[in-house]
Amino acid sequence: DAGVIQSPRHEVTEMGQEVTLRCKPISGHDYLFWYRQTMMRGLELLIYFNNNVPIDDSGMPEDRFSAKMPNASFSTLKIQPSEPRDSAVYFCASRHGTGGREQYFGPGTRLTVT
Amino acid sequence: KQEVTQIPAALSVPEGENLVLNCSFTDSAIYNLQWFRQDPGKGLTSLLLIQSSQREQTSGRLNASLDKSSGRSTLYIAASQPGDSATYLCAVIPSASKIIFGSGTRLSIRP
Repeated sequence: DAGVIQSPRHEVTEMGQEVTLRCKPISGHDYLFWYRQTMMRGLELLIYFNNNVPIDDSGMPEDRFSAKMPNASFSTLKIQPSEPRDSAVYFCASRHGTGGREQYFGPGTRLTVT
Repeated sequence: KQEVTQIPAALSVPEGENLVLNCSFTDSAIYNLQWFRQDPGKGLTSLLLIQSSQREQTSGRLNASLDKSSGRSTLYIAASQPGDSATYLCAVIPSASKIIFGSGTRLSIRP
């Protein structure tokens, strides 16, 4: 398996633009997670899905952020409109089953909003 | 609220030394604990996962221990190598799907 795939790897955009980050989880994994990593706040869980259904979005910072998972092999994290403080590395991770299983992380998308 | 702390934030040791990285957490009611490695500009690589019923896990030169009652975990690295230089993250899994990360320890192994 190719692992968790994220695209793009780098994104530079201007403030106010819409940004869409994409993730393809490992085939067969039924949990998908979106994280954000910044120097100030470290790694934060934004939202996670189970069987394509959003379960907990309490980590989503504000309404400008939205995430979807239309099928088991694809998820998007959208920021509209983007702001400079959204600059961070966004990670997607997937896992099969609950609790005792490991999460597998993608390489991340480095977002810079100018 | 669960908080995960890693001290020190940075550590530099000469090659060949054995070393211990520390992780503490405030709520002992955890599901699992996981150690990750992150290289600069890269994603996270899982090193070891310790389930709540376990005391330790070993993989090669790495050994992770878990003491839930005291809220502590350690990652022991034997015979350190320059290639071990990275940031090491401790993550507590308080429920089936949540995960809370520490801020990491940036490890540098001097040749």
